[in-house]
Amino acid sequence: GENVEQHPSTLSVQEGDSAVIKCTYSDSASNYFPWYKQELGKGPQLIIDIRSNVGEKKDQRIAVTLNKTAKHFSLHITETQPEDSAVYFCAASKNDYKLSFGAGTTVTVRA
Amino acid sequence: NAGVTQTPKFQVLKTGQSMTLQCAQDMNHEYMSWYRQDPGMGLRLIHYSVGAGITDQGEVPNGYNVSRSTTEDFPLRLLSAAPSQTSVYFCATLRGRNNEQFFGPGTRLTVL
Repeated sequence: GENVEQHPSTLSVQEGDSAVIKCTYSDSASNYFPWYKQELGKGPQLIIDIRSNVGEKKDQRIAVTLNKTAKHFSLHITETQPEDSAVYFCAASKNDYKLSFGAGTTVTVRA
Repeated sequence: NAGVTQTPKFQVLKTGQSMTLQCAQDMNHEYMSWYRQDPGMGLRLIHYSVGAGITDQGEVPNGYNVSRSTTEDFPLRLLSAAPSQTSVYFCATLRGRNNEQFFGPGTRLTVL
């Protein structure tokens, strides 16, 4: 099956700085790569996703890049704010619904 | 429109007891799934359903049963709870291809 590795496991950044989370996947057939944000006591919520026919996607302060050859993808958050503090998960899938998740990154934005 | 609801929010069981975690959705989504979340391991797929009457196993199905008699409901059954099933359980739905998965608020289960 698919194996998704996520780094780092924890990330502390100063407010206003950028945060980068990286993931690698093992199955070259995977074609859908979502990122989820999970706040304490809540379920994961989709923040951005990318498909294998696109190399980069941006939504305001959040961007995702995908390198199919190297089988890795990254989440970039610019101008971080305290409300960006949460656990972030990457995932990979061949069919949109059977997601394989990374272990998560706890992001702390210091005021 | 309540989205995805899960009950109960918290549950404590003794080893060997059985229980059913409930998941309901009012969005008429075809696809529903159950994940468990353990520290340092992300979310792992337990069972999923692509429509009423159809279920299949995910990555970690042992010890769990599911059924999908209606579009709205997808209960997860623990037949004989074990301490290894202590986890947070999330139900998720998806309308169809090219759409996002919506996760419920979760059920925190402790098995003593």
